[in-house]
Amino acid sequence: DGGITQSPKYLFRKEGQNVTLSCEQNLNHDAMYWYRQDPGQGLRLIYYSQIVNDFQKGDIAEGYSVSREKKESFPLTVTSAQKNPTAFYLCASSYETSGYEQFFGPGTRLTVL
Amino acid sequence: ILNVEQSPQSLHVQEGDSTNFTCSFPSSNFYALHWYRWETAKSPEALFVMTLNGDEKKKGRISATLNTKEGYSYLYIKGSQPEDSATYLCAFFPGNNDMRFGAGTRLTVKP
Repeated sequence: DGGITQSPKYLFRKEGQNVTLSCEQNLNHDAMYWYRQDPGQGLRLIYYSQIVNDFQKGDIAEGYSVSREKKESFPLTVTSAQKNPTAFYLCASSYETSGYEQFFGPGTRLTVL
Repeated sequence: ILNVEQSPQSLHVQEGDSTNFTCSFPSSNFYALHWYRWETAKSPEALFVMTLNGDEKKKGRISATLNTKEGYSYLYIKGSQPEDSATYLCAFFPGNNDMRFGAGTRLTVKP
């Protein structure tokens, strides 16, 4: 089955630690995205990638980093510089970035203790 | 700043009721508007991708309209069923790889 997977579903980390969230897709999509959701707010874009070895900052990129070494993978690292990292993180992909329908993964809930 | 507003924030209806909610977005630099349904414990799924002023899309009991000149889209659900309970998100694309999601409308349909 084609789709997007994210792991893990729940993640706990101690303050001051970096943590990497996984996102893999087998839809052969060029574009991939990372969003963050906080209660009562819409999805906010952290980073997006239009193609392998390319990525662009979204609205709230500070404290996060990404890589796109393979078409199917777009991992997100939440660094210790992110001041309020506890949130729900969603990964998505689309054929291209130009307004194409996005397909979402199941999400990872990160809690910083 | 691209503000996408959705109203109402939440809605409770009885099974069989018809309902609608609104997505408001900037009327300049329009490229596309998406509607997604996000059921609890599942991933958001696309309902409609709308690109033209006056677009009307339909999928079963759910339909959507688009007015790009005044900057709004309506989502309609006819004869709501409990399985329609979900959060409905709209996303606005101005065409420069930017995108904005609204906070969503949470719909609860009571049997």
